[in-house]
Amino acid sequence: ETGVTQSPTHLIKTRGQQVTLRCSSQSGHNTVSWYQQALGQGPQFIFQYYREEENGRGNFPPRFSGLQFPNYSSELNVNALELDDSALYLCASSSGQGSPDTQYFGPGTRLTVL
Amino acid sequence: GQSLEQPSEVTAVEGAIVQINCTYQTSGFYGLSWYQQHDGGAPTFLSYNALDGLEETGRFSSFLSRSDSYGYLLLQELQMKDSASYFCAVRDESGDKIIFGKGTRLHILP
Repeated sequence: ETGVTQSPTHLIKTRGQQVTLRCSSQSGHNTVSWYQQALGQGPQFIFQYYREEENGRGNFPPRFSGLQFPNYSSELNVNALELDDSALYLCASSSGQGSPDTQYFGPGTRLTVL
Repeated sequence: GQSLEQPSEVTAVEGAIVQINCTYQTSGFYGLSWYQQHDGGAPTFLSYNALDGLEETGRFSSFLSRSDSYGYLLLQELQMKDSASYFCAVRDESGDKIIFGKGTRLHILP
């Protein structure tokens, strides 16, 4: 069974640029959630995808967008990067809309915006 | 809205027992989850309580009291590798997303 993977591991961008982060869900999981985690804080929910549809969104502006593909992998896109977007971005997969409490996290992408 | 409160830091001695508390406010309650995160690592699911009472998984136990909007994580026979941050989490009222607390950093002394 393959776990959740994310790419890239680290990324450095400058303010105003755009970034795409990728996530492959654990085998058999059809739900992917994205989180932003600032240093010393808990993960903050960005949005969730269930069977290729956005299924919930946190308090993030529209410049944070995402996709889920038929194989349940997912992308997080952030446009017009700001300094405050520097954080660890985590994706987590789970096995169904009815059981989002047990989530399996990927190792994260560390984004630095200069 | 939802909010969770947990202590920012807890210190305990190797081999001892430690309890990490979590109080929550949510308009719709589905259950309380606990996650562990080591420095530089990803959160790892530890336990989930939907009903009142104690759930035991090896050295870790989790307790829930829905009437008190309170739960705790109990770690027994502490080991140095248990040094990590611990997060409690609940679903929001829609049930579609999980809200995490700010985390409790556990320091273990030899």
